[in-house]
Amino acid sequence: DAGVIQSPRHEVTEMGQEVTLRCKPISGHNSLFWYRQTMMRGLELLIYFNNNVPIDDSGMPEDRFSAKMPNASFSTLKIQPSEPRDSAVYFCASSLEGVGPYEQYFGPGTRLTVT
Amino acid sequence: AQSVSQHNHHVILSEAASLELGCNYSYGGTVNLFWYVQYPGQHLQLLLKYFSGDPLVKGIKGFEAEFIKSKFSFNLRKPSVQWSDTAEYFCAVNAGGQNFVFGPGTRLSVLP
Repeated sequence: DAGVIQSPRHEVTEMGQEVTLRCKPISGHNSLFWYRQTMMRGLELLIYFNNNVPIDDSGMPEDRFSAKMPNASFSTLKIQPSEPRDSAVYFCASSLEGVGPYEQYFGPGTRLTVT
Repeated sequence: AQSVSQHNHHVILSEAASLELGCNYSYGGTVNLFWYVQYPGQHLQLLLKYFSGDPLVKGIKGFEAEFIKSKFSFNLRKPSVQWSDTAEYFCAVNAGGQNFVFGPGTRLSVLP
């Protein structure tokens, strides 16, 4: 299994530009999570999907952030317009929710730098 | 709401020293507990997990953790650390469904 795949691995952009981060979960997993990691705030859950439906987006910082999951094998996190304070590592994770407990599998992350 | 606290922000040890990282959570019901490790520049990887049964859980790389329900704790231990254990360690709690809460992390630096 290839694991969770994220692209790009690194993104450098200027303030005001649109940024799109991509995630492919592990095949067969039915839940997908977007996290943001910074030195100041640690690991924060932004949003999670179950069966492609957004369940909890209370962690999304503001309207500049949006996430979609058009099908079971693909999700995007978009920031428009981007700001320097959005600089962070963004992780995607997936899991298989069903009978019994589960664990989350993390992707390699996208390191975003907004100048 | 659930919360997870980790006692130490940064721990510095010499090789061969024993390690214990504290983790406490606030939730009165049944929980599933996890420790994840993040090596420098890498993503989070599962170290070990507790779902039920024996409260002493053994994970990869010689790590273990003990679930003490009465103390709401799930401390991580290793009898003898190595330089390669330098990483950030995250405790996480799941109280059912997709409600998954991570602690703030503890950075471990092991000096050669």
